[in-house]
Parts: sequence; C-alpha cells; structure tokens
Amino acid sequence: DQQVKQNSPSLSVQEGRISILNCDYTNSMFDYFLWYKKYPAEGPTFLISISSIKDKNEDGRFTVFLNKSAKHLSLHIVPSQPGDSAVYFCAASENQGAQKLVFGQGTRLTINP
Amino acid sequence: DTEVTQTPKHLVMGMTNKKSLKCEQHMGHRAMYWYKQKAKKPPELMFVYSYEKLSINESVPSRFSPECPNSSLLNLHLHALQPEDSALYLCASSKGQSGNTIYFGEGSWLTVV
Repeated sequence: DQQVKQNSPSLSVQEGRISILNCDYTNSMFDYFLWYKKYPAEGPTFLISISSIKDKNEDGRFTVFLNKSAKHLSLHIVPSQPGDSAVYFCAASENQGAQKLVFGQGTRLTINP
Repeated sequence: DTEVTQTPKHLVMGMTNKKSLKCEQHMGHRAMYWYKQKAKKPPELMFVYSYEKLSINESVPSRFSPECPNSSLLNLHLHALQPEDSALYLCASSKGQSGNTIYFGEGSWLTVV
C-alpha cells in the first residue's frame, strides 16, 4: 500500500521554464509534507516543506502547493536551471513526536539547455 | 548549520564480518534515524531514536543493530549481512517534534560480498 505516490517517474523541462512535480497521498492523517532533492551517490537534500494548515509555501524559486481535499501537492520550480536536474522525492508524516517520513518513489527531473 | 556527518563513505564487508556505520550531528536534534536506500527506490525507514531511546524499529532483521551512545551520535552495527543488504545507508536527524524537518547525511555506501 503506497501512501505517497509520485506518478511521473521522469520529467524533462527546458531551462528557464517552469518545472511542476506532482505528488498524491492517501493517508488523511498526514499533516506535514516535504520535498527533497537527491543527486546520485548523495543523501537527500531538504528543499521545502509545508504544514497542512497552509496551502502554499514559497522559498526563492521553489513553491509548494497543498490541496488537502484532493490529497495532492505539487512543487513548482521557476525558472528551472540545469543544476536542478536531480531526483525529487515527496515525503509526508503524521503528527508524531518523532517523525516517520513516508517517501514517494521519486521523479527524475532533467533540465535541458 | 544543517550537517549530518556519516562515516565511512564506502564500506565493503564479507558476510562473516562485523562492522559499524557511524553518524554524528551537532544541531541539538533529539531524534535520529537510519534509512536504507536501494538504487532507484525511495529511502526506507529502519530505526528511529527519540531522546536517545529506540522509538521505532521497522521490523529490521537483527543482523542490523542500532546504538545511540548520546544525543549527537548514532551507530549501526552490522553482522552476518547478506549481499542483498548492499545499499546506501542514510542517517538523519530532526528536532524530534512534529512538523520539523528531517536532515539527511550523505550516506554510507555498503557492499556485502
């Protein structure tokens, strides 16, 4: 039972355009969501997060949108840069003292010059 | 400073060996984690320590033995591993409260021969 799903294994975007990565979840108890970026042979790097009390959070070129009724979140990167090419993981957790993150399968983003 | 340091970066061990992976953080975080990641898969939670006590064990085989000597250190002792245990082992930490970001180290690449 996959509680966090990233249905697009890969995405290719032109440099300078907007990249939109999508994530769906099934567990209505999730109340905190995070996006991580991962280069090969490195650990995941935290990008941006959002609490379930918000529907948008912005940090520079990165914006995360949360639609609780649809159990859907998305990460927007604009403008996309070649260095953004990586695997992006969506993750979610419930309201617990120590977090148990549940990850999606990841989306490989390629930014083309 | 959001650094989680893992050693060694690479480890090759035989199936009869005993080895340890080490992790250190100096962010004052009270929760520490071990994740395992296979190629093209998302990280999978293994163990969570909260305030130096084991709070989550995701039914991990006993050939993996975690240890938390103090709030800054986390070890993973390895004994009698199988080749299928070869993976990237990720340490992470967080403040230990709901809604806090989990920060990952760069990982230790383990190869069991």
